[in-house]
Amino acid sequence: GAGVSQTPSNKVTEKGKYVELRCDPISGHTALYWYRQSLGQGPEFLIYFQGTGAADDSGLPNDRFFAVRPEGSVSTLKIQRTERGDSAVYLCASSLTGAHPYEQYFGPGTRLTVT
Amino acid sequence: KQEVTQIPAALSVPEGENLVLNCSFTDSAIYNLQWFRQDPGKGLTSLLLIQSSQREQTSGRLNASLDKSSGRSTLYIAASQPGDSATYLCAVYILTGGGNKLTFGTGTQLKVEL
Repeated sequence: GAGVSQTPSNKVTEKGKYVELRCDPISGHTALYWYRQSLGQGPEFLIYFQGTGAADDSGLPNDRFFAVRPEGSVSTLKIQRTERGDSAVYLCASSLTGAHPYEQYFGPGTRLTVT
Repeated sequence: KQEVTQIPAALSVPEGENLVLNCSFTDSAIYNLQWFRQDPGKGLTSLLLIQSSQREQTSGRLNASLDKSSGRSTLYIAASQPGDSATYLCAVYILTGGGNKLTFGTGTQLKVEL
């Protein structure tokens, strides 16, 4: 079946602009996760959704970052007033449910470059 | 706070050599541990998932072990090939009040030379 998909694959934006990154999880997966990977680092947790609600948003770096999952499927990560330090690969993952540590399946990522 | 460390940060070996990548974590209260491969500019490819009740998993030339009490995992690659060249990441699953999330190490960059 189809895996986790993310769009766009690459996004270049100017400092101060607003961007939206989209994630389509595996069908039937109720848990969805966003991670951010800076150059030379491992991915870092941003936010976790169980269904439509954000169950853990402790990894969001500041209030410029926001994510939604209105229908419990597709999720959008939104970044306001982008800064050069936001440049990274944003990875999305999904799992069957978050209540148990089921395996997380990762998408290919969106490479964000802020100029 | 859980911290995951991978040693070495980079490794270069000749083709055919057997090698071991190390991963250590500070809090033994983990659930699963997963090893991933990442090629340059690409996403994550899952290699092996070790559940908390298991001590090792094998897939082809790869074998991963987990010792929760000592906070260590190793990934053993037998008869390395140039196609194994990539960054290898380990990640631990931790349960929090909100669910579960992965904490990753910074990776080992492997180069297998002809």
